[in-house]
This record gives sequence, C-alpha cells and structure tokens, in this order.
Amino acid sequence: QVHLVESEGGVVQPGGSLRLSCATSGFTFSRYGIHWVRQAPGKGLEWVAYIRFDGSNKFYLDSVKGRFTISRDNSKNTVHLQLTSLRAEDTAIYYCAKGGVASFEYWGQGTLVTVS
Amino acid sequence: AIQLTQSPSSVSASVGDRVTITCRASRDITTDLAWYQQKPGKAPTLLIHDASNLPGGVPSRFSGSGSGTDFTLTISSLQPDDFATYYCQQFNNYPLTFGGGTRVEIK
Repeated sequence: QVHLVESEGGVVQPGGSLRLSCATSGFTFSRYGIHWVRQAPGKGLEWVAYIRFDGSNKFYLDSVKGRFTISRDNSKNTVHLQLTSLRAEDTAIYYCAKGGVASFEYWGQGTLVTVS
Repeated sequence: AIQLTQSPSSVSASVGDRVTITCRASRDITTDLAWYQQKPGKAPTLLIHDASNLPGGVPSRFSGSGSGTDFTLTISSLQPDDFATYYCQQFNNYPLTFGGGTRVEIK
C-alpha cells in the first residue's frame, strides 16, 4: 500500500527557514516524480514544486523560486523541501504527492507550516 | 500560467440529485485534467485523471468529460459521502494550477 508521510512542520519567524521531508513506501520510489502542494488556511490548493524521478528536472511556483528547494534521496525513498526566506503568505498545510498518470495519484496527510 | 475557472463555487443539493461542476481552462490543455475530492481536515483524493478516467476504487457515479478548454465533473446520484469540496487541476504545463474549488453542501 502506498504511503507518503510528511515530517512535522512548525512555527517559523518571517525570514526563517524550515526543511520538510516526505517519507514514502509501497511503490518503487525511484520511478516516480514527487510534488509538493500547499493549502493556506481556509483556501484552495496551490501546487508548489516538482522533482522528476531521477532528480534531473525540478519545477517551482514562481512565488517560491529562489526561496524553496526540492531534492530527493532515492536510497532513502525520501523527498525534501527546503523553505527559506519564509513569508507570512507561505503559511499553509504542505502536502507531498506521488506523481501518477497526469495526476497526483496519492497524497500525504499534510503538515502545517506557520510563519509568524 | 494556465488559469482554471470552476463553477459554481458552491452548490446545495440533496441526496440522489445529479450534480455537475464545470472547469474552464484559459487555453487548450487537451485532456490533461484531473479532478480531486477533499473533505474537511483531510488530504485531497484523486477522482478522475486524463479528463475522463476513473482510478480503481472510485465509484461509477462519478464521471468526467471534456477536452480542450471545457471540462465537466458529474455526480450522477449524490450520496451522503459526496458532500465535500471538488477541485480541477491541469497537468498540461508548468506551473501546474488548480481551479478555485466547488463546495457541495447538503440542501
């Protein structure tokens, strides 16, 4: 069974940094891209970043380019999202999701990042 | 970025009703569209991919149609478990984008 589990988020001051992790199991991790999606409190979904199965391609939402960095460790079936220069508008639940056939096939339970 | 406009933003319906949600893209995305269901406090779950394909385990009362710029999610007979928020999402081009969501409420 496919599982994605995000690490604990937290409260960070504006300008601060935080590293989120997404631990996965139940599928051949090295064959799939992984996305991060966020949801501000009471708001809709917003895609944040993507890393290709082999780490060769990465894409970012414009508003996080230069501040967030996605990476992966295929030996540990884990993806990381490094958040720096955090702003109040980055406050959200952050989900990692397994890339599927033109979709986010499976999602983690999410982790709350509060910038305040 | 490709914009997705969902309508309505909310709908009140009764169990057994047919519910239709539309999603319009700002440019042609062929069939690179997915639909998700989200319940309060939970992560979204995939309902439909490639505009009209249901993953295993998704009830057949859900269906999707459309291509190009206009897409539809239909729930043929609303069930109590279907009261939730629904989002469309395009996979045609980065940055990936979502529609604003449609909340399906109990009438």
